[in-house]
Amino acid sequence: GAGVSQSPRYKVAKRGQDVALRCDPISGHVSLFWYQQALGQGPEFLTYFQNEAQLDKSGLPSDRFFAERPEGSVSTLKIQRTQQEDSAVYLCASSFNRAYEQYFGPGTRLTVT
Amino acid sequence: QKEVEQNSGPLSVPEGAIASLNCTYSDRGSQSFFWYRQYSGKSPELIMSIYSNGDKEDGRFTAQLNKASQYVSLLIRDSQPSDSATYLCAVTILTSAGGGADGLTFGKGTHLIIQP
Repeated sequence: GAGVSQSPRYKVAKRGQDVALRCDPISGHVSLFWYQQALGQGPEFLTYFQNEAQLDKSGLPSDRFFAERPEGSVSTLKIQRTQQEDSAVYLCASSFNRAYEQYFGPGTRLTVT
Repeated sequence: QKEVEQNSGPLSVPEGAIASLNCTYSDRGSQSFFWYRQYSGKSPELIMSIYSNGDKEDGRFTAQLNKASQYVSLLIRDSQPSDSATYLCAVTILTSAGGGADGLTFGKGTHLIIQP
């Protein structure tokens, strides 16, 4: 079956612009996670959804970051007023349920100029 | 503060030999343990999961977990050049509320090079 998909794959934004990153999880996976990966580092947890409920957003670095999953399937990560430090790869992962294996999408590489 | 430590490498292993990758974690509440492989410019790919003490084998891969020592390792037998990648160790904790798990905590990864 289809894996996790993310769009766009690459995004270049001018500093101060808003961006929206989309994640389409594996069908039937109720848990969805967003991570941020800087060059040479492991992914860092941002936020977690169980169906449509955002149960953990402790990793969001500032109030410029906002995520939603209104119908418990597709999720969007929005970054307002982008800054250069937001440049990173944003990874989405889904799992059958909370403690199960997480499968990652291809990521969105965001470059803020 | 949850921490996962890995030697960043590079770890260079001749083709056909056993590659041994190690990981330690700080939180005794850690319950689930995963190894991901990440090729340059790609996203992490799940290789192994392990939940209880001991060894778990899958093909050329063996994961080993020792919760008392807070140590998890990955062995790759008969290493191939295609195994050259960064290997990420990740752990998760079951929260007390509802038994759910929060996000994975990753190490920085070990860069493995298999020399032909």
